[in-house]
Amino acid sequence: GQNIDQPTEMTATEGAIVQINCTYQTSGFNGLFWYQQHAGEAPTFLSYNVLDGLEEKGRFSSFLSRSKGYSYLLLKELQMKDSASYLCAVRARSHQAGTALIFGKGTTLSVSS
Amino acid sequence: EPEVTQTPSHQVTQMGQEVILRCVPISNHLYFYWYRQILGQKVEFLVSFYNNEISEKSEIFDDQFSVERPDGSNFTLKIRSTKLEDSAMYFCASSETGGTGELFFGEGSRLTVL
Repeated sequence: GQNIDQPTEMTATEGAIVQINCTYQTSGFNGLFWYQQHAGEAPTFLSYNVLDGLEEKGRFSSFLSRSKGYSYLLLKELQMKDSASYLCAVRARSHQAGTALIFGKGTTLSVSS
Repeated sequence: EPEVTQTPSHQVTQMGQEVILRCVPISNHLYFYWYRQILGQKVEFLVSFYNNEISEKSEIFDDQFSVERPDGSNFTLKIRSTKLEDSAMYFCASSETGGTGELFFGEGSRLTVL
């Protein structure tokens, strides 16, 4: 089975740094994705990790440890517009093409001034 | 920037009616997906489609659901006999590659079943 866990809610203030954790247990592993979803909108891609380590992309970084089944998304210099849900998603290994992403429940981040 | 487009943006239907949701994936993408998100809940995988056939489907994707690529551009999701619990936002997504590529999502079609 597939299980992806992340905190339900987090709060932070403008300019701060926040780390959103994700743990997963899946039948296989072929990459971990982070998406941002504003209320009533579509998920938009933030980052992708398939090897262990840190991937940095501007104010956003994502880390993966495959042996621990663990990832985090780090957001620096928080802005009010970063208030959104952050979705952790795993692509489990499959012999078939077009393997789907399985999403966690998402972490709702509220940024205050 | 290329994008996934979905129609309609919102559809209201009576229980038991058939609904077709339409999607135009990004033109050079080969892998297509449908997801749904019930209000306040997580994004759930329904089905993936590659090379004109279903490559994967979830337990949610039962006999009342079907997908089709009727021409070179559209990708449709049909719900044969809608139930109240089918009320959700339905997202279409596409990806260029199946193994490593990220999914690009459309803006969604909100389905309300009365």
